[in-house]
Order: sequence, then structure tokens, then C-alpha cells
Amino acid sequence: QKEVEQNSGPLSVPEGAIASLNCTYSDRVSQSFFWYRQYSGKSPELIMSIYSNGDKEDGRFTAQLNKASQYVSLLIRDSQPSDSATYLCAVNIYGDDKIIFGKGTRLHILP
Amino acid sequence: SQTIHQWPATLVQPVGSPLSLECTVEGTSNPNLYWYRQAAGRGLQLLFYSVGIGQISSEVPQNLSASRPQDRQFILSSKKLLLSDSGFYLCAWSVQTPVASGAFFGQGTRLTVV
Repeated sequence: QKEVEQNSGPLSVPEGAIASLNCTYSDRVSQSFFWYRQYSGKSPELIMSIYSNGDKEDGRFTAQLNKASQYVSLLIRDSQPSDSATYLCAVNIYGDDKIIFGKGTRLHILP
Repeated sequence: SQTIHQWPATLVQPVGSPLSLECTVEGTSNPNLYWYRQAAGRGLQLLFYSVGIGQISSEVPQNLSASRPQDRQFILSSKKLLLSDSGFYLCAWSVQTPVASGAFFGQGTRLTVV
């Protein structure tokens, strides 16, 4: 059974601090990994993708992938109240067209 | 640029009634298309996906079905809705072999079965 696991939270982080969100996955042949942000009542929005081991930075966001440990994380620097949302981790399986999502982590940035 | 349209935005239907949700994509050809459902307070559950016209893969056995009559059109249907079908239904598209691109979502349909 292929699974994507996330801590449901809520994760509370002071404004201006670094928020760290984690995701683990069960399938060793998973190929690509995605982070989505979902505001309450809205559809998910893709914010980061990563498929090579190491770090990928985009503005205040950094995705980190460790395939050996089956672990992907998202760091949000200089957290803002507008970052308060649910963050969904998603995985694309090698040779497959499915994109599987975790249940998401609720992030709350404290002003 | 690519856009995805999904309608209606909200829907209230009685138990036992039929359902038809439609999704269309513009600005791309031969996309992968997906239907997901998100129950209240829960994650995204993949219901169906399609890699081409008439090609539908079902992930969860239930009273829902999907069809892809045209390249950029994806339809979710039910003959008789159950209370448990309530949720937030999301259509998404990706390029073929979505290795680095991920999926892009429509605005969603919030379905309440009463």
C-alpha cells in the first residue's frame, strides 16, 4: 500500500520564524514530490516540486529531499500570517501517472 | 497559458439523485486528468484518473463513475447519490508523465448530499 504520511498539526510558528513541514512516503520508487498550499475552502495550489536528492529553493520556500530515508520536507523562512494554511505533500510514482496526497499539515503563523 | 474550468462551484443534492460534474482544460493537449475528493477535515482521495480519451482508471470502488469523451473534458457521474458522497470534489490536470510538473487544480465543487 503506497502511503504519504504527514503530521496533521496544527503547527504554530511565530511570525518571522522558520516553519518546518515534514512528509514521509512508503514507496521506494517514488519519483517526484510536490508541496501544495491549501487555504480553507479553496483548491490546492502547487508551490514546490522536487525530484533530486538535496535542497531546492524558491524565494522563502526550500524543499529538501532524502530518497534513502524516504523523507521530504518544506521550510518556510520569514513566516508571514498569510502562510497560515494547510500544506499537502504529494508523490508521483515512477512509471505511473497517479499523484498521491498526504492528509496535510495545518500551519498557523502567530502574529 | 493553461486553465482549468470546473463547475458548478457548489451543489446541494438529495439522496438518490444523479450527479454530473464537468471539468474542461484549455491551453494544452493530451493532458492527464484527475478527480479527487476531499471529505471534511481529510486529505485528497484520488477517485479516477485518465491518460487519454476513453481511458479511465478507478482508484476507489464506489457508486461514482468517470468518463472522458473529449481530450480536454472529464466528467464525474453518479446514478444515485449517497450521504457519504458529500465532499469537496476537485478536478486536476497534469502533463503526460508528471515527473516534474505536478497537477493543477480547478476551483472545486462543494457537494452536499441531503
